[in-house]
Amino acid sequence: QKEVEQDPGPLSVPEGAIVSLNCTYSNSAFQYFMWYRQYSRKGPELLMYTYSSGNKEDGRFTAQVDKSSKYISLFIRDSQPSDSATYLCAMSPLNNAGNMLTFGGGTRLMVKP
Amino acid sequence: EPEVTQTPSHQVTQMGQEVILRCVPISNHLYFYWYRQILGQKVEFLVSFYNNEISEKSEIFDDQFSVERPDGSNFTLKIRSTKLEDSAMYFCASSESHRGTIYFGEGSWLTVV
Repeated sequence: QKEVEQDPGPLSVPEGAIVSLNCTYSNSAFQYFMWYRQYSRKGPELLMYTYSSGNKEDGRFTAQVDKSSKYISLFIRDSQPSDSATYLCAMSPLNNAGNMLTFGGGTRLMVKP
Repeated sequence: EPEVTQTPSHQVTQMGQEVILRCVPISNHLYFYWYRQILGQKVEFLVSFYNNEISEKSEIFDDQFSVERPDGSNFTLKIRSTKLEDSAMYFCASSESHRGTIYFGEGSWLTVV
């Protein structure tokens, strides 16, 4: 079983739609959960950062973590064509040596005008 | 906004040659990382570096790889004898603390021919 799984998509939605992106994971040691956006051939850009279970909202983005189900989600409201990118979930355990991230494979999102 | 900068953006090298990828992390950050992404694959952790020593490394980071912080601002990744399978985008990243969010650079695309 892969540590972090993510549907590769592509996910195609019309402008203004609510987008739901998800990841499942198998390692119960993961405590920190992140969502990154990556445009083609560019570096990952941090969108959301959450610790443990619960919801976190930032503008049009809401991140949800359900540790009991080992399932995390990112919701994008009022999606825009500029949101078209690959969305990567990433997670890490709590440790003192540094924040070693394990990434999902990414979901490619296309928002059509 | 502070950012992680990487050079070169693209390098083509012959198999067996040594390559040095350079990074300037965000100035007040103390933890530094290298990740790589082979085309079409996941972003993978290579190494984390804190207090002038490696704090964690993955199984990918074998004896042909080394990292160094030669001065107060640069952080480098050296690949001693490149192989075809080293062709990838290499991302430098940094964080303020071991629990801090990780910020990525734009990447150095390495092509080994």
